[in-house]
Amino acid sequence: GQSLEQPSEVTAVEGAIVQINCTYQTSGFYGLSWYQQHDGGAPTFLSYNALDGLEETGRFFSFLSRSDSYGYLLLQELQMKDSASYFCAVTSGAGSYQLTFGKGTKLSVIP
Amino acid sequence: DADVTQTPRNRITKTGKRIMLECSQTKGHDRMYWYRQDPGLGLRLIYYSFDVKDINKGEISDGYSVSRQAQAKFSLSLESAIPNQTALYFCATTTTKGLADNEQFFGPGTRLTVL
Repeated sequence: GQSLEQPSEVTAVEGAIVQINCTYQTSGFYGLSWYQQHDGGAPTFLSYNALDGLEETGRFFSFLSRSDSYGYLLLQELQMKDSASYFCAVTSGAGSYQLTFGKGTKLSVIP
Repeated sequence: DADVTQTPRNRITKTGKRIMLECSQTKGHDRMYWYRQDPGLGLRLIYYSFDVKDINKGEISDGYSVSRQAQAKFSLSLESAIPNQTALYFCATTTTKGLADNEQFFGPGTRLTVL
């Protein structure tokens, strides 16, 4: 089976940088995705890493280390609207397009 | 107009009742998914479908059934609802063509309460 670990809550100051870590255990790992979900809303796709290294999407970076079974989402220039839950998700098996989600990290951005 | 819609958005039902949640999409995607979300547990996959004739069980399919009536429609049924099926249910879609890998598009969710 698959398991993912990420912190349950993180608090950061507006304008700062925050990193949300995700470690995973899975067989046949193919890629790591990140999704954002605001309270009462639907999850929305942020990024995807299949290879080691850093991907940039606007103010956000996502990182993957396959050898360490580890990834992170880094958010810079935090804004109040970034307050949301962030989920990492793994895909196992090429082309399966089936995601297993972590339990989510609730990010609170404070003034 | 929303690309992925779910009906109803909110529903209260009694234990033992049959209930159907519906999902429609206008994105032309071939793959559709049903998830449930419980506080502190993230999203868990119930069923998924790669096309009209392909239905697969997910992590937590017991107590649920699905129907893929057309490429655009994927319904989730609770044959005999029980209180621990109280949750937020999401439908999602994706395609194998031309998207960033694993970008799934979610509907707005259905909040189901079983009394």
